[in-house]
Parts: sequence; C-alpha cells; structure tokens
Amino acid sequence: QVQLVQSGAEVKKPGASVKVSCKASGYTFTGYYMHWVRQAPGQGLEWMGRINPNSGGTNYAQKFQGRVTMTRDTSISTAYMELSRLRSDDTAVYYCARADIVGATMGLDWGQGTLVTVSS
Amino acid sequence: QSALTQPPSASGSPGQSVTISCTGTSSDVGGYNYVSWYQQHPGKAPKLMIYEVSKRPSGVPDRFSGSKSGNTASLTVSGLQAEDEADYYCSSYAGSNNFVFGTGTKVTVL
Repeated sequence: QVQLVQSGAEVKKPGASVKVSCKASGYTFTGYYMHWVRQAPGQGLEWMGRINPNSGGTNYAQKFQGRVTMTRDTSISTAYMELSRLRSDDTAVYYCARADIVGATMGLDWGQGTLVTVSS
Repeated sequence: QSALTQPPSASGSPGQSVTISCTGTSSDVGGYNYVSWYQQHPGKAPKLMIYEVSKRPSGVPDRFSGSKSGNTASLTVSGLQAEDEADYYCSSYAGSNNFVFGTGTKVTVL
C-alpha cells in the first residue's frame, strides 16, 4: 500500500530555514507528481507547489516564490520541501500529497503532516 | 490567486443531504474540470473524496457526489452519517501550473 512518511516536528527561529522530508513507498516514486500543502493552526489548506520526481521540475505558488525549494532524491524515493526566511506566520502543519499521473489531482495519498513552529 | 469561496458551515440531520458550494472564476473552477473535494477530520490529514469534478476514488461511498455549473462546483453528501462530520475543502487547477483551495466548510451532523 502507498505510504508517505514525513519527518518529525521542527522548532525554528525567525529568519531560519526548515527542510521537511517525505519518504514514499508502495508505488513508483518517479511516476507521480508530489504536491506540498500547508495548514496554519485553525486555518484552511494552502497550496505551496509541486515537483515532478522524474524530471525534478517544479512549480511554486507565487506567494512562496523565492522562499521555497522543492527537491527529490530518487535513489531513496524521498521528496523535500525547504522554506527559508521563516516568519511566525509560517507556523503550520506541512503535508506532502501524491498526485495523479497528470499531476492535476493532488492528494491521492497524504503524509501524516509535519508541524513547523516558528518562534523566537 | 484568491481562495475559492465556500460557506463557513453547513449542517443536516442523519439521513438527510447537505450540499456545499465552491465558487471560483473562469480562470479556475469554470475553466477546468480539475475540481477536487477533500474531507478532513480534526487532527488528521485530508482525504480525497471527489476528483475531476465528479469522480470518486476507490473506497469513497457513493453517498458523496460532485458537480459543476459555470464557476461553481458543489459537493453533495446524501444520507448523512455521524462520521461525515468534518471540514470539507475544494480545490481547483487554476492554470499556469497553479492550484487553489477553497476556504473550507465545517459540516455538522445534528
């Protein structure tokens, strides 16, 4: 069965960077886009971007352009999301979500979420 | 890219139906048949309930159905059950390799 296992919770200071990992199993990692979505406490879902694990090509939401970097390591079927210049309003649960082959339907499967807390 | 508009809340008694709307523009909901709906219980990851406007993933009960008219998509939950109480979010492809989520709707089973 498909599993997406994310790295553990992080506490960061403002201005720092955080890198969240998402290890995939149960399917061909390079065959499906991976999206990243975040959810601030008590708030809704927010799309951050996606990566094509086969080519490494990325698409980022305009809001995060210049601050987010999505990468992957195909040898270990793992996707990464790095967010830099953290602010307090970046405190959120960050999810990876597998998409369909076309990449237009995200969330066939979801990771368990990684809580990132930004606090001085 | 602005969030799609959903009503903050909806409710119904067990066995009844509830319909949630998701209003966007011709650049997102109205322009593409890539509208999805997600169910999220407190403290849990979202779960895909509907994709491509009206398709159900394997394992999702046929009580859940989706549709679209113009710039508004809708999710209908028929035969409401206690376990359907959750937050529901729509999402849409918005062109130029962008996606957008709805504001979310809390469904209460009375």
